Amino acid sequence: AQSVTQLGSHVSVSEGALVLLRCNYSSSVPPYLFWYVQYPNQGLQLLLKYTSAATLVKGINGFEAEFKKSETSFHLTKPSAHMSDAAEYFCAVSERSNDYKLSFGAGTTVTVRA
Amino acid sequence: DGGITQSPKYLFRKEGQNVTLSCEQNLNHDAMYWYRQDPGQGLRLIYYSQIVNDFQKGDIAEGYSVSREKKESFPLTVTSAQKNPTAFYLCATRGSGANVLTFGAGSRLTVL
Repeated sequence: AQSVTQLGSHVSVSEGALVLLRCNYSSSVPPYLFWYVQYPNQGLQLLLKYTSAATLVKGINGFEAEFKKSETSFHLTKPSAHMSDAAEYFCAVSERSNDYKLSFGAGTTVTVRA
Repeated sequence: DGGITQSPKYLFRKEGQNVTLSCEQNLNHDAMYWYRQDPGQGLRLIYYSQIVNDFQKGDIAEGYSVSREKKESFPLTVTSAQKNPTAFYLCATRGSGANVLTFGAGSRLTVL
């Protein structure tokens, strides 16, 4: 069985500050890991994904995430927050043997202070 | 213009009524998925379909039904048996051999 835990339902950062969103996963087999972003009343947009290549993954809008197997983590970071980063972020995991069904974390809402 | 179209965007329903949410895609993707989103709970899988005329239950299928008669379409019916249907519903697709889901813009259902 697979599952995801996102630590912190709400994160507030100043514009220009580091954004760090935490995600831990459990999976019985090597996983695929994803970060998605959602703006109000919209669907989800893929930020980045890990599929067993490089452990440091770069995504869109300056975000990146590092896969750490020993810590079962896939934390998302961005060095300098922009006002447009205000949104809800979801970490998700899928196992390669289960039809690519995604299991999502509860989400982290990011607010950016001017 | 390729993509996923979900309709209606907003829907109100009285208790005891069935309602059908539409999901249409022109991406030529084989797999389609329905997720339900509630505040603070992330997304939960309702049903998914890997191929036409076949579909499987997800984690919260009770009170929902689907059909997959065409590759392009995967409608979701929320029946009166669903005890708490007010939620945001998201349809997603996946291309053959791909490991990424593409999401539609969602449909918000409110039961009055």
